[in-house]
Amino acid sequence: NAGVTQTPKFQVLKTGQSMTLQCAQDMNHNSMYWYRQDPGMGLRLIYYSASEGTTDKGEVPNGYNVSRLNKREFSLRLESAAPSQTSVYFCASSLDQGRSTQYFGPGTRLTVL
Amino acid sequence: GENVEQHPSTLSVQEGDSAVIKCTYSDSASNYFPWYKQELGKGPQLIIDIRSNVGEKKDQRIAVTLNKTAKHFSLHITETQPEDSAVYFCAASQAAGNKLTFGGGTRVLVKP
Repeated sequence: NAGVTQTPKFQVLKTGQSMTLQCAQDMNHNSMYWYRQDPGMGLRLIYYSASEGTTDKGEVPNGYNVSRLNKREFSLRLESAAPSQTSVYFCASSLDQGRSTQYFGPGTRLTVL
Repeated sequence: GENVEQHPSTLSVQEGDSAVIKCTYSDSASNYFPWYKQELGKGPQLIIDIRSNVGEKKDQRIAVTLNKTAKHFSLHITETQPEDSAVYFCAASQAAGNKLTFGGGTRVLVKP
């Protein structure tokens, strides 16, 4: 099992460019999440998908969109990147949205110039 | 919403000593408290968790305690080793929804 995989590992964008971060899990988990990690601020939830076909906003959704493509894949899109979106992005998954363990991917380091 | 505060932000200990990290939370409805360890360049990994019907839980050299009345919980690492050097995050969530709220993290350095 690869667990949670994310692509790309690193990305540099110019202000206004768009891109999609990809996430996939092979653990047959129902719930998936996108977080951003900024220095001194821990991890903040951007969007989550409790189950295939549903998505909901987290704490910091502005400037992002998501797609739960199927049970395995959950993508995060930046339509018009801004310097404030420079961060490390983590995808996670859990068996369900109850009190089950969240498993994290290795992260994508994004820099917006 | 939930707010989780974590202290200290950095912690330096001598190998073999104990390390303690403390977290407080604001929402009395929270009842699940996981701790994650993040090594450099990697995603966070669950190391231990505790639920509100338990006051203490141990797993080898790590233990977590929970005081629901005071709304705080702590991570204890005994006999620290260099491989314990990492960033540790506490988190809290309610049973319904399982949206984790994370603390700001503690960078632990174990000096040999």
